[in-house]
Amino acid sequence: NAGVTQTPKFRVLKTGQSMTLLCAQDMNHEYMYWYRQDPGMGLRLIHYSVGEGTTAKGEVPDGYNVSRLKKQNFLLGLESAAPSQTSVYFCATFAGGEQYFGPGTRLTVT
Amino acid sequence: AQSVAQPEDQVNVAEGNPLTVKCTYSVSGNPYLFWYVQYPNRGLQFLLKYITGDNLVKGSYGFEAEFNKSQTSFHLKKPSALVSDSALYFCAVRESGAGSYQLTFGKGTKLSVIP
Repeated sequence: NAGVTQTPKFRVLKTGQSMTLLCAQDMNHEYMYWYRQDPGMGLRLIHYSVGEGTTAKGEVPDGYNVSRLKKQNFLLGLESAAPSQTSVYFCATFAGGEQYFGPGTRLTVT
Repeated sequence: AQSVAQPEDQVNVAEGNPLTVKCTYSVSGNPYLFWYVQYPNRGLQFLLKYITGDNLVKGSYGFEAEFNKSQTSFHLKKPSALVSDSALYFCAVRESGAGSYQLTFGKGTKLSVIP
């Protein structure tokens, strides 16, 4: 099993460009999450999903959109990237009392 | 609202010495508590959790944590540190019964084990 995978691993965007980050899981977990990690800030929840077709806002949702059209995939979109969105993005799933994390996507917005 | 505090940005310890990484929490109800470790350029890996039962929880790689309800703390400990334990450690909390299973993370503590 691959677990939780994220695509791409690295990306550089210019201000105003858009992109989509893909999170895929093969564990059949219902709950999925998108976090951003910034130095000295820990992980902050952007959006989450409690099942296929559902999404909800987390702590820092502004500037991001998400979709969960298929149970195994959770997409995070940036419609108009800003330098403040430079960060490392982690996807996670939840089952059995713990969260399982992907390897992360390092995004730089110039 | 739930919150986590990790009061130390960095902890340095000599190899072979015991280590402690501190965590305090705040939740409205009963807490579920977690420790995760992150190695450079990697995602977070689960170490251990406290749900209920014994206050001393044993986890991966020889780590353990002690739940103290009166002090609202969940400190991570290891009797003898290894250089390979050097990493970033995150404490996390969620309230039992929270349907979305959202975790709130601390800001992280960088552990450096000195040979």
